[in-house]
Amino acid sequence: AQKVTQAQTEISVVEKEDVTLDCVYETRDTTYYLFWYKQPPSGELVFLIRRNSFDEQNEISGRYSWNFQKSTSSFNFTITASQVVDSAVYFCALSRTTDSWGKLQFGAGTQVVVTP
Amino acid sequence: EAEVAQSPRYKITEKSQAVAFWCDPISGHATLYWYRQILGQGPELLVQFQDESVVDDSQLPKDRFSAERLKGVDSTLKIQPAELGDSAMYLCASSDPDRGLFEQYFGPGTRLTVT
Repeated sequence: AQKVTQAQTEISVVEKEDVTLDCVYETRDTTYYLFWYKQPPSGELVFLIRRNSFDEQNEISGRYSWNFQKSTSSFNFTITASQVVDSAVYFCALSRTTDSWGKLQFGAGTQVVVTP
Repeated sequence: EAEVAQSPRYKITEKSQAVAFWCDPISGHATLYWYRQILGQGPELLVQFQDESVVDDSQLPKDRFSAERLKGVDSTLKIQPAELGDSAMYLCASSDPDRGLFEQYFGPGTRLTVT
């Protein structure tokens, strides 16, 4: 069975501070995909990043960066120099590559509150 | 930029009534998903289509929920009769895994309130 755990329920920061969101996953598959989605108050889930399990290279995309460590089953996400518009719920999700249909298993989400 | 369309955005209904939600995926996306998101939780898959065929409806309460995608394009999710516990956000998503595009793109959702 697959499981995604986001232990942080809510994180509050002041604008320009960095925010790191934790994600720990469980899967028996050797290959899989990991995702981060953002859900602003409007409700629509916005795709942010996807990572393949066979590629542990960490990357930076603008103010977003991620740290994928297969050895500890963690896929943490960092927002650098946070802005008020970053206030949202952030979801980590997992899907199998053996399952070509791509069903997503979501974590419970972390609420990020950025204040001016 | 192509988007997933959903309607209505909001729906208030009394318990025991029937409700229906509509979704139009991104053009060309063969895979369509319906998720239910209870307040404070992550989305959970209800049903998944590949073209017009259901490939996963294991979490769909089939005694009251039904879904169809007759021509393999847009889709309808129906609840009959609605219960108080059905109050949630219903999200539609689409993807194109046959082209290696495993990320799912979501619509704005339908927020259902059952009174």
